[in-house]
Amino acid sequence: GDSVTQTEGLVTLTKGLPVMLNCTYQTTYSPFLFWYVQHLNEAPKLLLKSSTDNKRTEHQGFYATLHKSSSSFHLQKSSVQLSDSALYFCALSDPNNRIFFGDGTQLVVKP
Amino acid sequence: AQTIHQWPVAEIKAVGSPLSLGCTIKGKSSPNLYWYWQATGGTLQQLFYSITVGQVESVVQLNLSASRPKDDQFILSTEKLLLSHSGFYLCAWSLRGAQDTQYFGPGTRLLVL
Repeated sequence: GDSVTQTEGLVTLTKGLPVMLNCTYQTTYSPFLFWYVQHLNEAPKLLLKSSTDNKRTEHQGFYATLHKSSSSFHLQKSSVQLSDSALYFCALSDPNNRIFFGDGTQLVVKP
Repeated sequence: AQTIHQWPVAEIKAVGSPLSLGCTIKGKSSPNLYWYWQATGGTLQQLFYSITVGQVESVVQLNLSASRPKDDQFILSTEKLLLSHSGFYLCAWSLRGAQDTQYFGPGTRLLVL
């Protein structure tokens, strides 16, 4: 069945450093991938989405490229800020109106 | 502008008691509606979705049910709460289904004792 794997449960970085959060997926359909960010005690919000192979999408300094050959949609940022500390979810949707979220990666940015 | 409202904001309930959580979307006609459950610090689990009034599809059972009595309203309920029902319940809407952006409501925190 469809699934999403996020390998890092917790990533701790110093402000100003680059970050990459991993996301791989399994599906038999044409993939629609999303990154959602959830700050403490808030609802998740969309950060990025893509269904186009090998095309980079960007928003608020974050970027990701869907690679169908490796079933990946890694999230990156070149310089993290304190305000980036949050829980990040990778998600996959299918044509049957189902959405599969990864376990999430907690990003902690230190001064 | 679209707004999504969930009620109540938080609940503390006893095991075995009934529960009803509500969600209302304003400013969007015929949205796709979703219910999610999230354990503290955990992942999001899709529970139900609805494409139209009166039609609800179950994704995961969890001894919960859902209904869509109006175009802009989505209700989550159970007659008997379990300890495992504790968590964060999120309602969301999208324009064209799961392959479109999910817009989440503020959520309801539930503690079952």
